[in-house]
Amino acid sequence: EVQLVESGGGLVQPGRSLRLSCAASGFTFDDYAMHWVRQAPGKGLEWVSGISWNSGSIGYADSVKGRFTISRDNAKNSLYLQMNSLRAEDTALYYCAKAEAPIADSVSDAFDIWGQGTMVTVSS
Amino acid sequence: DIQMTQSPSSLSASVGDRVTITCRASQGISNSLAWYQQKPGKAPKLLLYAASRLESGVPSRFSGSGSGTDYTLTISSLQPEDFATYYCQQYYSTPQTFGQGTKVEIK
Repeated sequence: EVQLVESGGGLVQPGRSLRLSCAASGFTFDDYAMHWVRQAPGKGLEWVSGISWNSGSIGYADSVKGRFTISRDNAKNSLYLQMNSLRAEDTALYYCAKAEAPIADSVSDAFDIWGQGTMVTVSS
Repeated sequence: DIQMTQSPSSLSASVGDRVTITCRASQGISNSLAWYQQKPGKAPKLLLYAASRLESGVPSRFSGSGSGTDYTLTISSLQPEDFATYYCQQYYSTPQTFGQGTKVEIK
């Protein structure tokens, strides 16, 4: 079964850091770009960051650029998001998502598999 | 950034109705357009990509069309399980962007 499982969310104070993880299974992880997409409570979807299959291409939303870092470990079938200098507006459910098309060098993709999400709450 | 404008933001419909949702991009996106369905408390589900290609396992009552800047999701005969929020997404360029969503409710 193709599956993505996120972890690492929680309550954190403004200015602090958090690292999210996404464990993938059921598909050839290193064939696909991977992404983080977030959804603030009661709001729509916002793409946060993406990384190509070989980490050669990486992209960030302007809202997180310079604060968040995406990475992957293909040997461990895992995706990560290091979030620094967190703000109240980063409060959201963070989804890990798999690119629909394999072996693309870009990070512009449709997302065919999503995890269940991990909640990040930034509050003092 | 490419802005995606969905309309309507919500609609009420009955089982069996034909439903159409539109999405307009602020510039041409060459059919790099996906549609998602999201039910409360659940992750989004991919319905169509490349504007009109049906994702495996998605019922054929869902279809997509369009070109350039204007795209449409059509549900030919609304079923009870189709009541949800629908999002379009352009992936022509980074940052890929979503529409604001269309909530389909029971009339």
